Amino acid sequence: QQQVKQSPQSLIVQKGGISIINCAYENTAFDYFPWYQQFPGKGPALLIAIRPDVSEKKEGRFTISFNKSAKQFSLHIMDSQPGDSATYFCAASTRGGADGLTFGKGTHLIIQP
Amino acid sequence: KAGVTQTPRYLIKTRGQQVTLSCSPISGHRSVSWYQQTPGQGLQFLFEYFSETQRNKGNFPGRFSGRQFSNSRSEMNVSTLELGDSALYLCASSLDPNTGELFFGEGSRLTVL
Repeated sequence: QQQVKQSPQSLIVQKGGISIINCAYENTAFDYFPWYQQFPGKGPALLIAIRPDVSEKKEGRFTISFNKSAKQFSLHIMDSQPGDSATYFCAASTRGGADGLTFGKGTHLIIQP
Repeated sequence: KAGVTQTPRYLIKTRGQQVTLSCSPISGHRSVSWYQQTPGQGLQFLFEYFSETQRNKGNFPGRFSGRQFSNSRSEMNVSTLELGDSALYLCASSLDPNTGELFFGEGSRLTVL
C-alpha cells in the first residue's frame, strides 16, 4: 500500500516558470512532511519541511503548501532555474521522522533554458 | 564538517553471497538510518539506530540487518543475496531523529548477479 502518492512522475518547465509537485497521504498520524532534492549520483538532500500546524512555509524560491483536511501537500518552485533540474521526493513520517520516512515515488523535474 | 561517508561506493556480488555496507555519520550525529532505493520501489526505510539501539525497522526480511557502534558508525548486512537486492543503499544521519532532518550519504550501489 503506497502511503504517499506523488505526481507528476516527470515535469518540464521553462526557465523562470513555476514548478508544482503534488503529494497526497493516507495516514493521518503523519506529523512531518519534508521534501528532498536528489541529483544524479548523489544522495537526497533536505530542501524544506513542514508540520501540520501551519498551512504554508516558504524558504527562498521554495514553498510548501499544506492542506490537512484534504491530506495533501505540494512543493512550488518559483522562478525555476536550470540548476533546479533534479528528482524531487516528498515524504512523510510520524514522530517527526523518528519512525522512518515514507517517500513518494519521485518527480523528475527538467527546467528548460 | 565532513558529510555522511558510505563505503564501498560500488560493489558486485553473486546470488547467495552476503554483503556488509558501512556508514560513518556526521560528527556528533547519534542517529543513523538506512534506506534502499530502487527504480521500481523508490526509497524505502530499512532501519534506524540511535545510541547503538535499533529503534525502528521497515518492512524488509530478516536477511537485512544492521548495527551501530559506540562511535555512532553503522553497518548493514544483507545475507543470502537475491537479484532483487540490487539497489542503492543510502545511509542518513541526524543530530536529533525527532526533528526529522536527515543528512544522506551518496550511497553504496550494490549489483547482484
